[in-house]
This record gives sequence, structure tokens and C-alpha cells, in this order.
Amino acid sequence: SQTIHQWPATLVQPVGSPLSLECTVEGTSNPNLYWYRQAAGRGLQLLFYSVGIGQISSEVPQNLSASRPQDRQFILSSKKLLLSDSGFYLCASSREGGTEAFFGQGTRLTVV
Amino acid sequence: QKEVEQNSGPLSVPEGAIASLNCTYSDRGSQSFFWYRQYSGKSPELIMSIYSNGDKEDGRFTAQLNKASQYVSLLIRDSQPSDSATYLCAVNMGQTGANNLFFGTGTRLTVIP
Repeated sequence: SQTIHQWPATLVQPVGSPLSLECTVEGTSNPNLYWYRQAAGRGLQLLFYSVGIGQISSEVPQNLSASRPQDRQFILSSKKLLLSDSGFYLCASSREGGTEAFFGQGTRLTVV
Repeated sequence: QKEVEQNSGPLSVPEGAIASLNCTYSDRGSQSFFWYRQYSGKSPELIMSIYSNGDKEDGRFTAQLNKASQYVSLLIRDSQPSDSATYLCAVNMGQTGANNLFFGTGTRLTVIP
């Protein structure tokens, strides 16, 4: 089965600072990878998904970007954080072809 | 517009009762359906998958699927306080090579001791 490693678990960053969140996947190859954001008490908002190395699709225009430099590595970045970027960020993976998704532990980001 | 809809709740049931969670989806051609449980402050955990019409049972959990009505539900029998969480419905309704997994906003369940 897949294991998704996501770090850090919590992060407090000042407004205007850069961001880099990393996600790595074990137990499968060529997975579909996802970044979601969840505001407090809200549903999952899909930010980015990737079906292969270097292939990134953005769902919502925003202050964030994503990259997939390796098959099982997915990175979420920002050059300058905004207060509105605060939230719970989740990386997810599903097998090639798309079935159920498995989630990492999440990163709780607070921008101050 | 591909959508998955759930009642946000909160849904409160007494301990030992049956909790019934419902979900509807927009794409009639959808083939895969999932229920996730999310405890407060934690990431979603897959608890049930269902692919064909009818019921699928796993312990105290039963998933029910009716593709004609575009409806999927989750029953939790003998509800326990540890079942208190938000339950997310997810539907695979897209083609390979594109985003195909859509989530509902979740139903918050509280089991009262």
C-alpha cells in the first residue's frame, strides 16, 4: 500500500516569506499526486494535481505553485506568503489511472 | 460542473444508534465511490470503497450505492463516541490523465455517550 510522507507537521511563517512543502510517496510508481488546502471547518480545496513528472495542473489561481521534479516527489511553493495562505495543506496520492487517494499527515500553516 | 454534495450537519446520534450519512453526485458515469473519516486536526483516512450497486459491509460500516439515483450512503451501526468525526464522500468521475477525484464538503458526526 502507499505511504505518503509530508513535512513539516506545523509551520508558522511571516507574511512575505517563502514557502516550500514537500511530499514523497512510497509503495507505488507513477502516482497521481494532489495538493489540497482545507480552511478551518471547511471542505477540501484542490490546489494542484499531477499525473506525471513535470506535469502540473492548477485548479485555482493563487499565490502558490507546485512542481514534480521526480516521480514520487511533489512540492508546494510560494515566493511570498499572504495571510490568506493559512490553512491545513494535504498531499494525496492515487495509483496511476486514478482510484482511491491516500493522504499524508498534513501541514498546518499559519501565516502571521 | 462535476459535484459531490453532502449535508454539512452536524449530525448527532446517541451511542449505540445507527448513523446514516448521505451523498449525491452529478456524473452518471461515475464508477468508484469512497468514504473518508477525518478527525479534527487530522488528515482524511479511507474507510470504505464501493464500486457496484448494492451494499458493502465492513464491520460496523455499510456503504450503499445506487447508481440510478446517483446516491451513495454510509451507515454506522452501534455508533461509538470514537466515531465522532467528519465524514467525506469522494467520487471518481473523470478520465485518466485528468483530475478525477471529487470530494464533498463533509458531514460532521457527533456520537453522544
